[in-house]
Amino acid sequence: AQSVTQPDIHITVSEGASLELRCNYSYGATPYLFWYVQSPGQGLQLLLKYFSGDTLVQGIKGFEAEFKRSQSSFNLRKPSVHWSDAAEYFCAVGERGSSNTGKLIFGQGTTLQVKP
Amino acid sequence: ETGVTQTPRHLVMGMTNKKSLKCEQHLGHNAMYWYKQSAKKPLELMFVYNFKEQTENNSVPSRFSPECPNSSHLFLHLHTLQPEDSALYLCASSLNAGGRYTYEQYFGPGTRLTVT
Repeated sequence: AQSVTQPDIHITVSEGASLELRCNYSYGATPYLFWYVQSPGQGLQLLLKYFSGDTLVQGIKGFEAEFKRSQSSFNLRKPSVHWSDAAEYFCAVGERGSSNTGKLIFGQGTTLQVKP
Repeated sequence: ETGVTQTPRHLVMGMTNKKSLKCEQHLGHNAMYWYKQSAKKPLELMFVYNFKEQTENNSVPSRFSPECPNSSHLFLHLHTLQPEDSALYLCASSLNAGGRYTYEQYFGPGTRLTVT
C-alpha cells in the first residue's frame, strides 16, 4: 500500500518569508500527487496537482510544488507567505481502489502558523 | 449551487438519536466519498461509492450507514453514536470514467458533528 509522510506537524513562519512544506511518498510507479489546503472548520481545497510532464507545477494562491522522483518528494513552496495562508496543508497520492475507483492517500497534515 | 454541498453544517445529537448527513455534488462526477476528520487523527476514509455502488467500507462500525441513491447524492445515516464519533465529516466527489480516473477529489465544507 502506498503511504504519504509529512514530516512537519507544525510550522511557523513570519509574514513575507518564504515557505516550504515537505511531503514524501512511497509508490512504485509515477504517482499522481496533490496538495490540499484546509482553513479552520472548512473542507479541503485543491491547491495543485502533478500527473506527468514538467516536474514544477504551479497552483492557486501563488503556491508551487516540485516533484523529485529520486527523493520521492513533492514539496510545496511559496516565495512570500501572507497571513491568510495560515491553515492546514495536506499532501496526497492517488491510489487505485476496489472496482477501479480512484482514491487518495493523505498525509497527516502540516499546520502553518503565520506570525505578523 | 456549484461544487459539493453538505447539510447540515453543524449537528449536535444524543447517543440515542437518529440523524442523517447529506452531500450533493453538482460537478457531474460519479464517485463519492465519506471521510472522518478528528482532532488528533488524519483524514480517515470511511466509504467509497462508484456509480451508486459501494466499493469500499473501511471497517466502519455499523452505526454509520451510507446511502447513495444516485451519482449526485450521498447520505450518511447515524444511529446510537458514541461520543468518540464527534468529528468533522467530509464528503468528496471525483470523476471515474471507463477505468480512467483523475484521483482528483473535490470536497464539501463538512458537517461538524457533536455527540453528547
